[in-house]
Amino acid sequence: QPVLTQPPSASASLGASVTLTCTLSSGYSAYQVDWYQQRPGKGPRFVMRVGTGGVVGSKGDGIPDRFSVLGSGLNRYLTIKNIQEDDESDYYCGTEHGSGSNFVSWVFGGGTKLTVL
Amino acid sequence: EVELVESGGGLVQPGGSLRLSCAGSGFTFSSYWMTWVRQAPGKGLEWVANINQDGSERYYVDSVKGRFTISRDNAKNSVYLQMNSLRVEDTAVYFCARGTSWGQGTLVTISS
Repeated sequence: QPVLTQPPSASASLGASVTLTCTLSSGYSAYQVDWYQQRPGKGPRFVMRVGTGGVVGSKGDGIPDRFSVLGSGLNRYLTIKNIQEDDESDYYCGTEHGSGSNFVSWVFGGGTKLTVL
Repeated sequence: EVELVESGGGLVQPGGSLRLSCAGSGFTFSSYWMTWVRQAPGKGLEWVANINQDGSERYYVDSVKGRFTISRDNAKNSVYLQMNSLRVEDTAVYFCARGTSWGQGTLVTISS
């Protein structure tokens, strides 16, 4: 099954932009990845899904246009522009792994803690 | 609007049992795979178990196989996680999920 790798931390100044990276293990370049935002004490909130062609489907409810995604090779990126204090969260990428129409498991990256300076 | 509400968490001694419940609303429950994911304190997300629409297919992470059982009752729009032989390392917030929609979680603490 795929392995997803995320840097443990990132930081950006208020109003700046930041790009978070999720890297799939070799051989899984066709996989789409979901990005989630998790604030302390809350459940993960779906941001959007990304494949090599970019965003797949719709953004999660209430996700502002400042959030965008891009996919290239084994990397799946989440970019946040004009960062706000409210964006300070843990960000996880995750993907389904299965066989045909069978949804066997989910795999998650270790998460990136975004600090707004 | 999709809503998932977990319940049943609590403090249990090692070796004990606990049954988690998740009630879904705002969607046709019987049409979806359902999932349990957990998050140990200060750690990342870990998939625990999946169940298909009619309960005929169930999958588990290796660390819980033989100890946890996922089940569902489509008439009650609910999915369950029966957890037996609990270990300290099972301590986590347990989330119920339907695709990209998640609940707020229920805390399970295993301690003597």
